[in-house]
Amino acid sequence: EVQLVQSGAEVKKPGESLKISCKGSGYSFTSYWIGWVRQMPGKGLEWMGIIYPGDSDTRYSPSFQGQVTISADKSISTAYLQWSSLKASDTAMYYCARSSSIVGLVVYWGQGTLVTVSS
Amino acid sequence: ETVMTQSPATLSVSPGERATLSCRASQSVSSNLAWYQQKPGQAPRLLIYGASTRATGIPARFSGSGSGTEFTLTISSLQSEDFAVYYCQQYNNWLQTFGQGTKVEIK
Repeated sequence: EVQLVQSGAEVKKPGESLKISCKGSGYSFTSYWIGWVRQMPGKGLEWMGIIYPGDSDTRYSPSFQGQVTISADKSISTAYLQWSSLKASDTAMYYCARSSSIVGLVVYWGQGTLVTVSS
Repeated sequence: ETVMTQSPATLSVSPGERATLSCRASQSVSSNLAWYQQKPGQAPRLLIYGASTRATGIPARFSGSGSGTEFTLTISSLQSEDFAVYYCQQYNNWLQTFGQGTKVEIK
């Protein structure tokens, strides 16, 4: 069974750094693209970027380029989303999402990680 | 970037009635269009891909149609569990984008 298990909720202050994780199991982690999706409170879904763990090819949506870093450690089947300096506007639910064999077509979702940034 | 526009923003429907949701792309995405359902407190769930193919386990009352820039999701007879927010998504290239969502609520 394919599973994506995300790290737990975080409460941070503006300016702090953060790295959240998404551990894949039940499939070949290096063979499928994994993406990150933001959902701000009461709002819709926004695609942030994707990574191919097999070779670490990473692509960002223009809105998120330079704002976050996506990475993966294939030795532990885990993808990451990180910020170097959080803002209050980063408060959101973040989902990891595994593509099918077609890049971008998401079949499997993580349970979400709620990030709250508040002073 | 391909902009996806959904309409209406909110759809009020009685149980048992048909619901028709629309999605328009700012440029052709061929048939690389998916629909997702999201309920409160849950991750989205894939309903339709390839514009018209139901994902595994999705009931036949859900159907999708369209190609190019105009797409439709139809729920033939709404059940109580279908009241949710629905998103379209194009995956024509790696820079996939979502529509803003249509909330289907009980009339």
